[in-house]
Amino acid sequence: SAVISQKPSRDICQRGTSLTIQCQVDSQVTMMFWYRQQPGQSLTLIATANQGSEATYESGFVIDKFPISRPNLTFSTLTVSNMSPEDSSIYLCSVQTGLRNTEAFFGQGTRLTVV
Amino acid sequence: SQQGEEDPQALSIQEGENATMNCSYKTSINNLQWYRQNSGRGLVHLILIRSNEREKHSGRLRVTLDTSKKSSSLLITASRAADTASYFCATGLGFGNEKLTFGTGTRLTIIP
Repeated sequence: SAVISQKPSRDICQRGTSLTIQCQVDSQVTMMFWYRQQPGQSLTLIATANQGSEATYESGFVIDKFPISRPNLTFSTLTVSNMSPEDSSIYLCSVQTGLRNTEAFFGQGTRLTVV
Repeated sequence: SQQGEEDPQALSIQEGENATMNCSYKTSINNLQWYRQNSGRGLVHLILIRSNEREKHSGRLRVTLDTSKKSSSLLITASRAADTASYFCATGLGFGNEKLTFGTGTRLTIIP
């Protein structure tokens, strides 16, 4: 299993600013993922955070808007840049500790409101 | 687009009754998982069923998988107020692709 600490838990931000979300895992993991959950919707994968290399982004998400860092096997950050109200969502960090789609563990999420 | 479509979108039942949620998906999968989310918080893994399995149990949970119909169901027996949450199915493709694709979710409300 894995315990994930994600912060901040919530924030209210002004449009045009940026917010960096941190994800700390209590053990070394290979796979780390960032998801977005828009109000009342399901989870959409933003990117896979790769240790030692650039993140792999899903269609519709770009590095300039959502830069990701993964400096080691226990930590990652997601930045939401130049925010607009459409970025208001819950952002979730997730890890998988094994190969072949073992269960995923999630942080408690960051509830972002852009005004 | 989402891999999984779930129905119903919302379900309200009396405490003690059974709740059934369904998930349909579009492509071949390695496994299918079910997660619970309370009040917009982090997701909690409930159960995983692999493509070569047809049924799996865990406590009050029963999951079935029909790969020919590309569908799965989650049954919660003897529901409790604490089961009130959103439930999501997620599909994994395996074969070196570790990403999970989540369904649209079912909002379950247990009425005391």
